[in-house]
Amino acid sequence: AQRVTQPEKLLSVFKGAPVELKCNYSYSGSPELFWYVQYSRQRLQLLLRHISRESIKGFTADLNKGETSFHLKKPFAQEEDSAMYYCALRQSGSEKLVFGKGMKLTVNP
Amino acid sequence: DVKVTQSSRYLVKRTGEKVFLECVQDMDHENMFWYRQDPGLGLRLIYFSYDVKMKEKGDIPEGYSVSREKKERFSLILESASTNQTSMYLCASSPGGAGNNEQFFGPGTRLTVL
Repeated sequence: AQRVTQPEKLLSVFKGAPVELKCNYSYSGSPELFWYVQYSRQRLQLLLRHISRESIKGFTADLNKGETSFHLKKPFAQEEDSAMYYCALRQSGSEKLVFGKGMKLTVNP
Repeated sequence: DVKVTQSSRYLVKRTGEKVFLECVQDMDHENMFWYRQDPGLGLRLIYFSYDVKMKEKGDIPEGYSVSREKKERFSLILESASTNQTSMYLCASSPGGAGNNEQFFGPGTRLTVL
């Protein structure tokens, strides 16, 4: 069965520091990977997806099929990046997403 | 602007009550989903629907049922609420079809069962 693992529950950094939010997955087929974000008192929303290969709010994520990873990175964190981040996987042919358990990022001033 | 609305932000019910959570989307999306969100457990899919009157069990369907009589509305039903169903419930919708599968979420309903 497919699974998404976010090994860290919490990450606290200072403003301007680099951040990497880890995501590993297990799926034998060709997955589609996403990062969703939930800011305080806001609804969950899509941050980026691997097929877009774009940078959103300074964040990037590269799908590494060899390591089965989809880590989210930002070179210089900002206070407004503080939020819950969820990695999610969609298997080929399915409409469903499998979410990781989430990670709380805190960026301190 | 896609809008997914949920009938209540906060709900308090007693053990054994039948509870209805309503979700409405206004973008003519094919798919609708119900998740529960718990700290340390992430989002877990309860049920989803890919068409009117069609439903499929998710990972944790026990104790829940759903209804989709109209395309825009997806209801989650707790037949007999229990304290372990105290949680944040999120509804989502997605357009469906190849290449367009972003899920849009509602604001959530925080349910407390006493």
